[in-house]
Amino acid sequence: DVQMTQSPSSLSASVGDRVSITCRASQHITNYLAWYQQKPGKAPKLLIYGASTLQSGVPSRFSASGYGTDFTLTISNLQPEDVASYFCQKYNNAPRTFGQGTKVEIK
Amino acid sequence: EVQLVESGGTSVQPGRSLRLSCAASGFTFSEHAMHWVRQAPGKGLEWVSSVSSSSGDIDYADSVKGRFTISRDDSTNSVYLQMNSLRAEDTALYYCAKGLRGGSSSFDYWGQGTLVTVSS
Repeated sequence: DVQMTQSPSSLSASVGDRVSITCRASQHITNYLAWYQQKPGKAPKLLIYGASTLQSGVPSRFSASGYGTDFTLTISNLQPEDVASYFCQKYNNAPRTFGQGTKVEIK
Repeated sequence: EVQLVESGGTSVQPGRSLRLSCAASGFTFSEHAMHWVRQAPGKGLEWVSSVSSSSGDIDYADSVKGRFTISRDDSTNSVYLQMNSLRAEDTALYYCAKGLRGGSSSFDYWGQGTLVTVSS
């Protein structure tokens, strides 16, 4: 099975900073990669699909890139409301594995 | 407005069965894959099972294969998860999620979850 490895597991940054989270797949998954945001006590929310396509309604400070095995989610101009855990997921076939998550906090 | 409402979660003893339900509204249910994802307390997301539109493709995580069964009823816009032989490690918040499309696609809407606790 394809394993999804995220890094870092947590990060702390200041408001206005640019932060990046990486996700590595153990096998090639083309662009079948999604990113989700989960705020404390809430259900996950889709941010990005197709590795780089912004879901409708998601602020443009979120962007993503990658193809094959290496993917990146970037938050430019970090805002207090971005405090959350972020998960990548491969969805081309089963198992539709999630990364272990990255917790983003404000310094 | 898309809505997904899970129900059926409760506290059960190990070895017992439980059936979760997810009532969907606000979209053409029959055209979308549906999924179950769980999250153990304080842990990350774990994909559990998926059913494609028309139930043509059904998949399970190895951790639940042979014990859980997913099904859908397009006449009532509902998806179900029959959970048998429950174990302590099945304790989690179970989310129902809608697929962006009918087959392989990301999960674009999620319910608020229903809590399953397996304990003696």
